[in-house]
Amino acid sequence: ILNVEQSPQSLHVQEGDSTNFTCSFPSSNFYALHWYRWETAKSPEALFVMTLNGDEKKKGRISATLNTKEGYSYLYIKGSQPEDSATYLCAFSAPGNQFYFGTGTSLTVIP
Amino acid sequence: KAGVTQTPRYLIKTRGQQVTLSCSPISGHRSVSWYQQTPGQGLQFLFEYFSETQRNKGNFPGRFSGRQFSNSRSEMNVSTLELGDSALYLCASSLGTGGANTGELFFGEGSRLTVL
Repeated sequence: ILNVEQSPQSLHVQEGDSTNFTCSFPSSNFYALHWYRWETAKSPEALFVMTLNGDEKKKGRISATLNTKEGYSYLYIKGSQPEDSATYLCAFSAPGNQFYFGTGTSLTVIP
Repeated sequence: KAGVTQTPRYLIKTRGQQVTLSCSPISGHRSVSWYQQTPGQGLQFLFEYFSETQRNKGNFPGRFSGRQFSNSRSEMNVSTLELGDSALYLCASSLGTGGANTGELFFGEGSRLTVL
């Protein structure tokens, strides 16, 4: 069983603030690291998948970086908006389509 | 393109009963995975099916089982329900091909099971 840890567990930010969260994962036998966004009463939706050390991905105001050697990924949200409120999950995927998820970071953006 | 459909969305059972949940993947997806989420826990991997074969299994007791049909639809069954089985059960589909999988999971909205 692979241990994927996310921090913080939850945070509240003011609208317009920028924020970031951390995902830690085993650095050995790395395959891929995924970020998902999960809004209340909806399905988790994929944000990014990263496979290479040093990868950086960006989608609008959200971006992510990957360090496979030290086993961490950061997710950044610039200028948070209320619609960014959600739980952000990271997952480490292993061969054979097996994903190991962290417990998520719950973000609340206060208008 | 239709998304992943899970039924039922909500159900209530009592201890000792059994339950079957259904998942219809996105057309063309051959892999279906099942996850359990309980409060304070991340998504816990139950099992994954690909082309009607269980390819991976998580660390759950034998009361949890599943199957996949030729049209890629999948069912999971939980027998002899316990209070601790109360959870949100999510199904995810993906293409599932390739060795070191980097594919995206597409999730359904889940089936919320309450065991009384």
